Amino acid sequence: DTEVTQTPKHLVMGMTNKKSLKCEQHMGHRAMYWYKQKAKKPPELMFVYSYEKLSINESVPSRFSPECPNSSLLNLHLHALQPEDSALYLCASSQVAHQPQHFGDGTRLSIL
Amino acid sequence: EDQVTQSPEALRLQEGESSSLNCSYTVSGLRGLFWYRQDPGKGPEFLFTLYSAGEEKEKERLKATLTKKESFLHITAPKPEDSATYLCAVQQEGTNDYKLSFGAGTTVTVRA
Repeated sequence: DTEVTQTPKHLVMGMTNKKSLKCEQHMGHRAMYWYKQKAKKPPELMFVYSYEKLSINESVPSRFSPECPNSSLLNLHLHALQPEDSALYLCASSQVAHQPQHFGDGTRLSIL
Repeated sequence: EDQVTQSPEALRLQEGESSSLNCSYTVSGLRGLFWYRQDPGKGPEFLFTLYSAGEEKEKERLKATLTKKESFLHITAPKPEDSATYLCAVQQEGTNDYKLSFGAGTTVTVRA
């Protein structure tokens, strides 16, 4: 079992739907991350929150909207996604910068 | 320009047949090098962090080493449960401290 919990594990949505992915960690980590991973590819960084403030946005389309309500929670709000957005979405956390990032098991997202 | 290159892409081993995975990097200043293991449908699991040339870390049948240009992950007497994709990632000095550059991974299959 990982210490970073992501829900839901699977999500199927239409291109006009609005949904949210959730991530929670209780390790006291102050940095949290969203990654996108396509099949047989390494994870690609999307967003970084440091001390609950958005630190990095890797030029992600606005149909993906991150939110960090508190130091333990990270959300990714989805709206008007495209079929090419189908992927495994991974959340990670680290104590601070330079420290190892610990990943959840991801949400498998399918866009119809 | 690829900063992290892993080889081989795939490795098939017989149980007990030791081998090594390579991760070469071209970043000008290394902040840290991280090894992860990823099972199908799961998030990457943190294995090791290496910070300076000459450093070595061990965990069960795995041993990671670091030089100024590359890292090796040695698998000694592997078992079928060692089958996974092994990912290498680097953090570079002078860039945002949170960013990891991942290699494409080496998929290891260990046959009983």
